[in-house]
Amino acid sequence: ELKVEQNPLFLSMQEGKNYTIYCNYSTTSDRLYWYRQDPGKSLESLFVLLSNGAVKQEGRLMASLDTKARLSTLHITAAVHDLSATYFCAVESGSNYKLTFGKGTLLTVNP
Amino acid sequence: NAGVTQTPKFQVLKTGQSMTLQCAQDMNHEYMSWYRQDPGMGLRLIHYSVGAGITDQGEVPNGYNVSRSTTEDFPLRLLSAAPSQTSVYFCASSSPIRNEQFFGPGTRLTVL
Repeated sequence: ELKVEQNPLFLSMQEGKNYTIYCNYSTTSDRLYWYRQDPGKSLESLFVLLSNGAVKQEGRLMASLDTKARLSTLHITAAVHDLSATYFCAVESGSNYKLTFGKGTLLTVNP
Repeated sequence: NAGVTQTPKFQVLKTGQSMTLQCAQDMNHEYMSWYRQDPGMGLRLIHYSVGAGITDQGEVPNGYNVSRSTTEDFPLRLLSAAPSQTSVYFCASSSPIRNEQFFGPGTRLTVL
């Protein structure tokens, strides 16, 4: 059974600081996704990581994947208040797009 | 394109009532899924479909039925609602060509 663990579950940051969210998973996977969710809203796709060593960046967010360690990271650079949200990683196993989600990281960026 | 649409947005049921949550997509995606989101639990897969006429169970299927008669629609049925089914339900669709899953806006369901 695929298990996905995110940490930390809660993260309070100051604006301008850097931090990393970690996503560990238990079995071999085909794809890893990062999503953002604002309160009361749906999930917004941030990144899809397909292969070992994959790195993707969008603005102040950078995601990477190490399939050998079964670890993905979401790095936040110089945080701003607008990044406050819940971030989920999700791992796909098999070829039918079934996703197993982590519990999410609630990120609060304080001025 | 409207993407993935879900109706209703909100629903309150009494224990034992039945209802159907609707999900539709206009992207001609083969894969569609239903997830539920509970506080502190992330999203958990209820049922999924890899094409019209084909469905299968996910992680938490008990109490829910699905069918997929067309590519566009994937309704989720609660036959006898229970308070434990109070949750936010998300429908998603995806294509093997695109490396992305599109999520609908969600249905917030309360069972009293």
